[in-house]
Amino acid sequence: QSALTQPASVSGSPGQSITLSCSGASIDFADSKYVSWYQQHPGRAPKLMISDVTTRPSGVSTRFSGSKSGNMAYLTISGLQAEDEATYYCTSYTDRTVVFGGGTKLTVL
Amino acid sequence: QLVQSGPEVKKPGASVKVSCKASGYTFASSYIAWVRQAPGQGLEWLGCVSPNSGLTDYAQRVQDRITLTGHTSTKTAYMELRSLRSDDTAVYYCARGWRQDSFDTWGQGTQVTVSS
Repeated sequence: QSALTQPASVSGSPGQSITLSCSGASIDFADSKYVSWYQQHPGRAPKLMISDVTTRPSGVSTRFSGSKSGNMAYLTISGLQAEDEATYYCTSYTDRTVVFGGGTKLTVL
Repeated sequence: QLVQSGPEVKKPGASVKVSCKASGYTFASSYIAWVRQAPGQGLEWLGCVSPNSGLTDYAQRVQDRITLTGHTSTKTAYMELRSLRSDDTAVYYCARGWRQDSFDTWGQGTQVTVSS
């Protein structure tokens, strides 16, 4: 299964909206509805933020939203807060395999 | 909740077995995935097991060295990794999913260090 590509780092100011991207090269990714996003703070376990491209699990802030267009998936964070500073990973599930993107470190300035 | 076993230090070529005990939900109805994170690196999916059926899926990179099991009687999942190498040094996480594609509850992680 092909790798998922994420920018290594992004930054934003408090209150701003920011969009993280995740690119998949394969047609499987373009057709996949099983895209998830995880947030990980240093030294902590990952936390599921989005599943099924757009579904927000119970307890996850409504400031987080997911979308997908063709071979690109996106995680948008609105009203950026200091606590959002973390690394974000996208995943895709096809052919009974989960692939993680390399992760994007979000810095809140 | 998922509670994992403690840190391990192993020599190259040895095996390690990490446990993941579940509580507070119907263990047999879930999947348990295993994900690792090498120092300063990203997350890597290793595989997934259905405790109810015993069905497993493994990442190609480790499929010859890994065995995942799940025991519904004790609500405990296990990951065994054999022929350990230095690049297996990582924090190993177990995670629960109601399907195989996403994981909503994670263990605290188990540090596995491979060193001679």
